[in-house]
Amino acid sequence: EVQLLKSGGGSVQPGGSLRLSCTASGFTFSSYAMTWVRQTPGKGLEWVSSITESGYNTWYADSVKGRFTISRDKSKDTVYLQMNNVRVEDTAVYYCARGGIGSLGLDYWGQGTLVTVSS
Amino acid sequence: QSVLTQPPSVSAAPGQKVTISCSGSSSNIGGRYVSWYHQLPGTAPKLLIYADTKRPSGIPDRFSGSKSGTSATLGISGLQTGDEADYYCGAWDDSLGAGVFGGGTRLTVL
Repeated sequence: EVQLLKSGGGSVQPGGSLRLSCTASGFTFSSYAMTWVRQTPGKGLEWVSSITESGYNTWYADSVKGRFTISRDKSKDTVYLQMNNVRVEDTAVYYCARGGIGSLGLDYWGQGTLVTVSS
Repeated sequence: QSVLTQPPSVSAAPGQKVTISCSGSSSNIGGRYVSWYHQLPGTAPKLLIYADTKRPSGIPDRFSGSKSGTSATLGISGLQTGDEADYYCGAWDDSLGAGVFGGGTRLTVL
C-alpha cells in the first residue's frame, strides 16, 4: 500500500524556518517525481514545488522561489521542503504527493500538515 | 486569480450528469496534459483523471475527461450524494515553468 507520511508542521514566526518531511513507503521511491501542494484554509489548491526522480531538477512557484527548497534522500525514501524566511501568507495545509502534475498526475497524496505563520 | 479558470459551483440532481469546465491557454492545457482531482471536506485531494482522459484504477467510469484546444472538461454521470466535493483541474504551464491548478468547483448534488 502506498503511503506518504508527513512530519514537521507546526507554528513558526514570520521570518523563521521550518522543514517538512514526507516519507514514502509501498513503492519504489526513486522511480517517481514528488510534489508539494498547499491549501490555505477554506481556499483552493496551490502547487508549490516539484522534484524529479533523480533529484537533479526542481521547480518552484514564484510565491516561494528563493525561500523554499525541495530535496529528496533516496536512502530514507523521503522528500523535504525547507521553508525559510516564511511569511504570514505561507500559512496553509501542506500536502506531499507522488508524481508530477504535468505527466501522469498526482496519484497519491499524504494526509496534509498545517503550517501556521504568526507572530 | 488562478491561471486555470473553473466555475465556482455547479449543481445537479442525483442520477443526472454534470460537467465542469477548465479553461487555460496554449502554455498549459493547450500543450500539456490535464489532471482532475476531487476533495471531500477535511481530506486530501484524490486523483480522478490524468493525461486528459485516463482514469486511475478504482475510479468508476462515471467519471470522464475530455480536452479541446485550451479547455478541458470533467464529466460526472449518475450523480450520487457522495460526489459532493470540490473539484480541481491541474496542468503544467510552460510559460511559468510551474504547475497550476484551477480555482476549484464545488459540486452540489441537490
